Amino acid sequence: AQKITQTQPGMFVQEKEAVTLDCTYDTSDQSYGLFWYKQPSSGEMIFLIYQGSYDEQNATEGRYSLNFQKARKSANLVISASQLGDSAMYFCAMRETLNDYKLSFGAGTTVTVRA
Amino acid sequence: DAGVTQSPTHLIKTRGQQVTLRCSPKSGHDTVSWYQQALGQGPQFIFQYYEEEERQRGNFPDRFSGHQFPNYSSELNVNALLLGDSALYLCASSLDFGTGLDYGYTFGSGTRLTVV
Repeated sequence: AQKITQTQPGMFVQEKEAVTLDCTYDTSDQSYGLFWYKQPSSGEMIFLIYQGSYDEQNATEGRYSLNFQKARKSANLVISASQLGDSAMYFCAMRETLNDYKLSFGAGTTVTVRA
Repeated sequence: DAGVTQSPTHLIKTRGQQVTLRCSPKSGHDTVSWYQQALGQGPQFIFQYYEEEERQRGNFPDRFSGHQFPNYSSELNVNALLLGDSALYLCASSLDFGTGLDYGYTFGSGTRLTVV
């Protein structure tokens, strides 16, 4: 079964507008971590934001915020005030438990920012 | 501060051949993980090395093997290459955490392997 589902293959957003990228996850663990990464055409995975399963507040990092809805197993990324440099592939990922060292990634969403 | 360095950046191999990819972790990091990313897909975990041992392995055949050296750098070896092994291979380093889930993985830019 897919642990991370990203249903939006591609999205277009106008410069300076906000965009929401959807992510749902599947786990039976109570303790887990959720990550968002950005992958530009260069290939490098760039860490954006982290949300722990026990964190009561939604994580924020500059223009990035995570809309965490635990009961719905949803961890959507919001990018505010989009910039041309935000055009890239975005991946949602999860790590389950302290004894599991791997990140499980979704299929990704391509974001294209229009001027 | 140098990040994760991978070499080579691109590689073309023939079916049946063997390939070795290399990774130097970020300064101060002691753990190295390898991921395979097929075109249009998310990365898939291959394995992680810590203290020169394979600590965890994903769902990959034994054709995929690795090594970690005393300086924490790592190699990924793939034997008997198949066309389906064509992918971007990403290396990620981290500092062994022990207590928290929010450890920082630093990824390299990857090696793009094409098998013909």
